[in-house]
Amino acid sequence: DAKTTQPTSMDCAEGRAANLPCNHSTISGNEYVYWYRQIHSQGPQYIIHGLKNNETNEMASLIITEDRKSSTLILPHATLRDTAVYYCIHRGPKDNAGNMLTFGGGTRLMVKP
Amino acid sequence: DSGVTQTPKHLITATGQRVTLRCSPRSGDLSVYWYQQSLDQGLQFLIQYYNGEERAKGNILERFSAQQFPDLHSELNLSSLELGDSALYFCASSRGGALSDTQYFGPGTRLTVL
Repeated sequence: DAKTTQPTSMDCAEGRAANLPCNHSTISGNEYVYWYRQIHSQGPQYIIHGLKNNETNEMASLIITEDRKSSTLILPHATLRDTAVYYCIHRGPKDNAGNMLTFGGGTRLMVKP
Repeated sequence: DSGVTQTPKHLITATGQRVTLRCSPRSGDLSVYWYQQSLDQGLQFLIQYYNGEERAKGNILERFSAQQFPDLHSELNLSSLELGDSALYFCASSRGGALSDTQYFGPGTRLTVL
């Protein structure tokens, strides 16, 4: 199974940047890093993904270290609606032909007023 | 709104019964995935279909089966239900099956087995 390590929980003040770290030291060269979040019991929501380069979209930025063994998801201006469980996943060919997503425990981010 | 739809939203049934969960993928998506989320197991991959064919299998019980129809919608059949099958069941879809194809999740079906 693909394994990532994330802090169990984090707090962030509303309006500040939320930086969520993820360790994926066993990642190999052709594996992507994906981030999803789940708000309460809703369906997981795709946030962003990357292979080697840093990525940015309208929701977040993804910073991947040069050795690719860790990454950080940045929510630039966290709002109360960003309170959720954030999952970091790496996804590669060995994961059942690369199709499945293996979810760990994720980080429970609490954005506080 | 991800574009993936699932019905029903809630389902309450008794042990020993059989239920069918339905998923409609996003327009143009050929792959459908099923995941189960229970309190003690977290989100677990069950099975994937690609353009009507089974592509990959995860921790799916023999009492569970799935299929994808020519119009690409998918159904997950759960039979001989047990209390432990109570969970959220999510469907996801992607354009194809490549590593860079993002999976988009539906809102889920909450199954309660009494």
